[in-house]
Amino acid sequence: QQQVKQSPQSLIVQKGGISIINCAYENTAFDYFPWYQQFPGKGPALLIAIRPDVSEKKEGRFTISFNKSAKQFSLHIMDSQPGDSATYFCAASSMAGGGNKLTFGTGTQLKVEL
Amino acid sequence: ETGVTQSPTHLIKTRGQQVTLRCSSQSGHNTVSWYQQALGQGPQFIFQYYREEENGRGNFPPRFSGLQFPNYSSELNVNALELDDSALYLCASSSGGEYYGYTFGSGTRLTVV
Repeated sequence: QQQVKQSPQSLIVQKGGISIINCAYENTAFDYFPWYQQFPGKGPALLIAIRPDVSEKKEGRFTISFNKSAKQFSLHIMDSQPGDSATYFCAASSMAGGGNKLTFGTGTQLKVEL
Repeated sequence: ETGVTQSPTHLIKTRGQQVTLRCSSQSGHNTVSWYQQALGQGPQFIFQYYREEENGRGNFPPRFSGLQFPNYSSELNVNALELDDSALYLCASSSGGEYYGYTFGSGTRLTVV
């Protein structure tokens, strides 16, 4: 059962454009929503994360928008650069039930073209 | 030394064999989690260890087992390997408690033939 749905599967953006990736979750016990960036041959690296008590968090060119009532959150990459070309995963976590395991989305392959 | 280190980086095994993957967690981190990432998919949670005890497990069969040592390093053992076990195995460490930040290693690419 997929608890975090991510779209689109792939995305092509022109340099300087805005990349937008969307995720939706089902489990209302989730209380931490991180985004990870993964380059080929590497493990995921934490990009930015948000808790459900805020609606937006911005770090540099990366912004998370969070809609608790709709159970949706999104990643916006402003002024996208070729170096941003990677696979992006949204994830969600909950301390309920012991441990703080991450439930990942299926990933979005982003390509930023010159 | 900072960061999460995993070994080996690549491994080829035959169906039915057993494999052990190793992970050294980031300095100061006492919680280790293991994830399986199939090609083109997001990582799937296998299990988590906190202070040498398993404290969470995903939907994986018992032939997937683990250990965490007093220095917080960890092993993932898989018995009776199946072709579908071919994947990237990721180790992630964190300081546990209310701190949610995970640091992932670069993974071990396991191929079962």
